[in-house]
Amino acid sequence: NAGVTQTPKFQVLKTGQSMTLQCAQDMNHNSMYWYRQDPGMGLRLIYYSASEGTTDKGEVPNGYNVSRLNKREFSLRLESAAPSQTSVYFCASSEIMVTPYEQFFGPGTRLTVL
Amino acid sequence: KNQVEQSPQSLIILEGKNCTLQCNYTVSPFSNLRWYKQDTGRGPVSLTIMTFSENTKSNGRYTATLDADTKQSSLHITASQLSDSASYICVVSHTGGFKTIFGAGTRLFVKA
Repeated sequence: NAGVTQTPKFQVLKTGQSMTLQCAQDMNHNSMYWYRQDPGMGLRLIYYSASEGTTDKGEVPNGYNVSRLNKREFSLRLESAAPSQTSVYFCASSEIMVTPYEQFFGPGTRLTVL
Repeated sequence: KNQVEQSPQSLIILEGKNCTLQCNYTVSPFSNLRWYKQDTGRGPVSLTIMTFSENTKSNGRYTATLDADTKQSSLHITASQLSDSASYICVVSHTGGFKTIFGAGTRLFVKA
């Protein structure tokens, strides 16, 4: 089992460019999440999908969109990248969202917006 | 405001020594508290999960404690190893599941 995989690992964009971060999990989990991690700060939730077919905004959704393509895949799209979106992005999954639940994280995508 | 604060920000210890990391939170109503280990360039990996009724949880050389009355948790690492060099993140969840607050982490360096 690969767990949670993310592509790409690194990406450099120019301001205004768009891109999609891909995430897939092979643990048959229902819930998936996108976080960003900035220096000196805790991870912040961008969007989450409690189950296939549903998506909801997290703490910092502005400038992002998501798609829950199927049970395995959850993508994050930046339509017009801004330097403030320079960050490390983590995808995570959990079996369900009933507390307490364990989240499994991917290796991250390091994004730089120039 | 719901917050999770960790101390110290960073810590350097010698291999074989013990250390304790602190986590104070103001999240209410409290549901559960998790400790994660994050190696450089990797995603966080869960170490322990504690609910309101638990006050200690161990995972090998890692022992987490929770005092829900004072809203404090600690992570004790025994007989540290070089591979313990990482960031340790405290995460607190509200009652109701998905609302979690991540601390900024403590960066631990273990030296030979």
